Amino acid sequence: NAGVTQTPKFRVLKTGQSMTLLCAQDMNHEYMYWYRQDPGMGLRLIHYSVGEGTTAKGEVPDGYNVSRLKKQNFLLGLESAAPSQTSVYFCASSYEGLAGNEQFFGPGTRLTVL
Amino acid sequence: AQSVTQLGSHVSVSEGALVLLRCNYSSSVPPYLFWYVQYPNQGLQLLLKYTSAATLVKGINGFEAEFKKSETSFHLTKPSAHMSDAAEYFCAVTSRGGGNKLTFGTGTQLKVEL
Repeated sequence: NAGVTQTPKFRVLKTGQSMTLLCAQDMNHEYMYWYRQDPGMGLRLIHYSVGEGTTAKGEVPDGYNVSRLKKQNFLLGLESAAPSQTSVYFCASSYEGLAGNEQFFGPGTRLTVL
Repeated sequence: AQSVTQLGSHVSVSEGALVLLRCNYSSSVPPYLFWYVQYPNQGLQLLLKYTSAATLVKGINGFEAEFKKSETSFHLTKPSAHMSDAAEYFCAVTSRGGGNKLTFGTGTQLKVEL
């Protein structure tokens, strides 16, 4: 099993450009999450999904959109990138049900917006 | 609302010395607490979790943590540090319902010196 994979690993954008980050998991998890990690701020939840076709906002959703058309995939879009979106982005997934289920993380995507 | 506070953004210990990383939580409902570790340029890996069973939780790589409700703490310890323990450690909290969302602390960078 590959677990959680993220594409691409690195990306450099110019201000105003758009891009989509892809997250895929092969563990048949219901829940999926997108976080951003910035120095000194830990990980902050951008958007999450509790099942195919559903999405919800997290702590820092502005400037991002997501889609969960297939259970195994969770896409994060930046429509018009800004330098403030320079960050490392992590995708995670977990089983549904009781809280306390472990979230499994991907290796991250390092995004720089110039 | 729930939150965690990690005291000390950087901790340095000698190899063989005790590791103590501090985490205090705030939650209006019974919490579920986690410690994750992040090695350089990698995703997060679960060390251990507390889900209301035993208050002393043992994890991987010799780490353990004790849930103390009276002190709202969940400190991470290891009796003897190893060079391979050098990494960033994150405490996180969640509670029942709402998609198993995690709220992370800002992280503690552990340095292990010879």
